[in-house]
Amino acid sequence: NAGVMQNPRHLVRRRGQEARLRCSPMKGHSHVYWYRQLPEEGLKFMVYLQKENIIDESGMPKERFSAEFPKEGPSILRIQQVVRGDSAAYFCASSPTGSGNGEQFFGPGTRLTVL
Amino acid sequence: DAKTTQPPSMDCAEGRAANLPCNHSTISGNEYVYWYRQIHSQGPQYIIHGLKNNETNEMASLIITEDRKSSTLILPHATLRDTAVYYCIVRVANNNAGNMLTFGGGTRLMVKP
Repeated sequence: NAGVMQNPRHLVRRRGQEARLRCSPMKGHSHVYWYRQLPEEGLKFMVYLQKENIIDESGMPKERFSAEFPKEGPSILRIQQVVRGDSAAYFCASSPTGSGNGEQFFGPGTRLTVL
Repeated sequence: DAKTTQPPSMDCAEGRAANLPCNHSTISGNEYVYWYRQIHSQGPQYIIHGLKNNETNEMASLIITEDRKSSTLILPHATLRDTAVYYCIVRVANNNAGNMLTFGGGTRLMVKP
């Protein structure tokens, strides 16, 4: 049973380019969460999605960031016009239900470097 | 979700028990205590959670004080692979309004040979 998969594992972009981060949840999981970890800091929640719905985006920056979780395919975190401050590790997690015991299964992360 | 306080770092000798404390004095009656850990450069990993009774699984034990204002995660026989940052998180388990995890600074556990 494959775990949460994220790709790419490493992504390098120049300022002003777009970054697309993908997350495939564990089989049978319909809830996806994105977290960001800046260098030497803890993880910060960004967004919580169910299939085709954004449930909570209270942690998303107001501009340039968007997320989706389509009916088919992986969840996508999109960052437009990247800046150096976007350099961070982005982790995706999934769970089988939005409520319950609260356990989330994390992927290995995508490390974004903005030059 | 209630705030937690953890020591920033701890050392432990390999093979000995590692006892990681967490204070959560403002915890509410319906909030659980969760522990996750993050090994360097990896995604966080769930360890254990509990409400008010002590809990044990194959990874660790969780001891929650009677007043629930603090807890201790116990790794009974720490190995070098247990070196990680350990996060104590309190949250409502059945929160349909949102299930995010709020990570604090955690405790950086260094297991030494």
